[in-house]
Amino acid sequence: AQSVAQPEDQVNVAEGNPLTVKCTYSVSGNPYLFWYVQYPNRGLQFLLKYITGDNLVKGSYGFEAEFNKSQTSFHLKKPSALVSDSALYFCAVSDPNTNAGKSTFGDGTTLTVKP
Amino acid sequence: NAGVTQTPKFRVLKTGQSMTLLCAQDMNHEYMYWYRQDPGMGLRLIHYSVGEGTTAKGEVPDGYNVSRLKKQNFLLGLESAAPSQTSVYFCASSGRTGGSYEQYFGPGTRLTVT
Repeated sequence: AQSVAQPEDQVNVAEGNPLTVKCTYSVSGNPYLFWYVQYPNRGLQFLLKYITGDNLVKGSYGFEAEFNKSQTSFHLKKPSALVSDSALYFCAVSDPNTNAGKSTFGDGTTLTVKP
Repeated sequence: NAGVTQTPKFRVLKTGQSMTLLCAQDMNHEYMYWYRQDPGMGLRLIHYSVGEGTTAKGEVPDGYNVSRLKKQNFLLGLESAAPSQTSVYFCASSGRTGGSYEQYFGPGTRLTVT
């Protein structure tokens, strides 16, 4: 069975500071990993993904994420946070060996960036 | 290219009433999904479909039925609504893009059952 954990319900950072939103996962084989963002009263939007290859993946709006196989983590990062980055962030995992199209989502982390 | 659309955006039902939520996608995606989102519980998968004419149960299927008669449409039905089904419902679709299946979400339907 696949699972994903987002250990922090809330992350607060000051504008201009770097941000990290944490995610750890569990799958039987090599994972597909995703990050999504949800703004208030909107659906989720795809940010970035890791499938294979370079452990550092870059996505939309200046976000990046680092895949760490030994720590089974896929943390979302941004070098300099913006107030407009404030939103709810979801990490998701799928197992291509069983059902690549079926992702399991974390419970979400609320990011608040203060001016 | 509208992406994923959902109808209606808002609905209020009385206990025991029925309704159907419509999801449409114009990206020719194979997979489609219905989720519900409740405060503090993240996203929970209700049903999903891997192609036209197929459906499968997700994490919380009880009280819901689905149909995928056309590739671009995925319907979610509530036969007898209960207050526990008050939630925000999201539809999503995905296709094999670069070997992966990232999902594209609709704007959501806010359902209240009184």
